[in-house]
Amino acid sequence: DGGITQSPKYLFRKEGQNVTLSCEQNLNHDAMYWYRQDPGQGLRLIYYSQIVNDFQKGDIAEGYSVSREKKESFPLTVTSAQKNPTAFYLCASSIARQGLSGQPQHFGDGTRLSIL
Amino acid sequence: QKEVEQNSGPLSVPEGAIASLNCTYSDRVSQSFFWYRQYSGKSPELIMSIYSNGDKEDGRFTAQLNKASQYVSLLIRDSQPSDSATYLCAVNFLTGNQFYFGTGTSLTVIP
Repeated sequence: DGGITQSPKYLFRKEGQNVTLSCEQNLNHDAMYWYRQDPGQGLRLIYYSQIVNDFQKGDIAEGYSVSREKKESFPLTVTSAQKNPTAFYLCASSIARQGLSGQPQHFGDGTRLSIL
Repeated sequence: QKEVEQNSGPLSVPEGAIASLNCTYSDRVSQSFFWYRQYSGKSPELIMSIYSNGDKEDGRFTAQLNKASQYVSLLIRDSQPSDSATYLCAVNFLTGNQFYFGTGTSLTVIP
């Protein structure tokens, strides 16, 4: 079955530590996205990538970094510079725009990150 | 100004009733609109996509788009307790490939 796999499901970060969240998709999608969701709030875009070796900052990129070395993979690193990392992190992917129509995003199951 | 706005609710309807969820978006060239359902503690799942003015029906769900008034709505007929969730509206504007999400409307269907 095709889909988006995020790991781990739960992650704990110590002070001063960098942690990396994994996102892998086998849907052959071109675009991949990382969102952060805080309790009772909507999704806020961290980074997105439309093609391998290229990515753009979203609305809340500070304290995060990404790479896109393979089409299937878009890992997110939460650095020690991110002072309030506790949140639900969602990875999504979509196929490229079809003419004027954007295509829907599909989501992984998410990673819950907490501070120890 | 937010790009996409939804009433946060909560919205409560009795089982079997019609639930109506609304979403407005900012004045930009917009092409693609999506409704997602998110159960508590889970990730969003796509319910409906709509690209042109008018109604689009899929089972108990109907999406309605009115670009002139800049709103998109979702109707859920014969609401079931299993429909209790948060519903997210998302808009993809023609410029760029970002998706903008509303904060979601919490729906509770009372048995």
